[in-house]
Amino acid sequence: DTGVSQDPRHKITKRGQNVTFRCDPISEHNRLYWYRQTLGQGPEFLTYFQNEAQLEKSRLLSDRFSAERPKGSFSTLEIQRTEQGDSAMYLCASSFPGPNSPLHFGNGTRLTVT
Amino acid sequence: SQQGEEDPQALSIQEGENATMNCSYKTSINNLQWYRQNSGRGLVHLILIRSNEREKHSGRLRVTLDTSKKSSSLLITASRAADTASYFCATGENTGGFKTIFGAGTRLFVKA
Repeated sequence: DTGVSQDPRHKITKRGQNVTFRCDPISEHNRLYWYRQTLGQGPEFLTYFQNEAQLEKSRLLSDRFSAERPKGSFSTLEIQRTEQGDSAMYLCASSFPGPNSPLHFGNGTRLTVT
Repeated sequence: SQQGEEDPQALSIQEGENATMNCSYKTSINNLQWYRQNSGRGLVHLILIRSNEREKHSGRLRVTLDTSKKSSSLLITASRAADTASYFCATGENTGGFKTIFGAGTRLFVKA
């Protein structure tokens, strides 16, 4: 069990640029989640996948955000035309199926939009 | 949106004391979970209590769940400086999906 891996750990970008983050879940997990966390707050749900299917998206996930999970393995989260308000920690988590499976988190990607 | 609300927002105690954090939530749930987060890191799962359970223990942790009041508490006994972290409650929603929704957290500081 190598844990959930996120890349990069830090990303600094200029407003208006596109950014893409990657998440590699624990290999046995078929559920994958994306959360966004701002300073002093709890993680906010963005979206989740079961295998390659994206089952739910938050209203927080505007048209500028898109997530994919090709082949049900790793996932990418892309933010187009970044805004300063997108600055946050983006957390990925994975879990086994079932309603009572805890989430295993990566260490996140910290995005700073200047 | 955040469902769970933790109380207090911040807690400062001496090493060896017990720390109690409370969580309230709004909707029907499958389970309630507690996570810990050290500064700048991801969250670590501590304990999960199912909706049909009332109390659960894990080491120095004790969690209670009262579904009639839609509330839970996390007790950390004999706290250590290494317990300094943010603690979040999270609810596994029972709305047909499998979202886990987090509260805003309690910041615990344990003084050595």
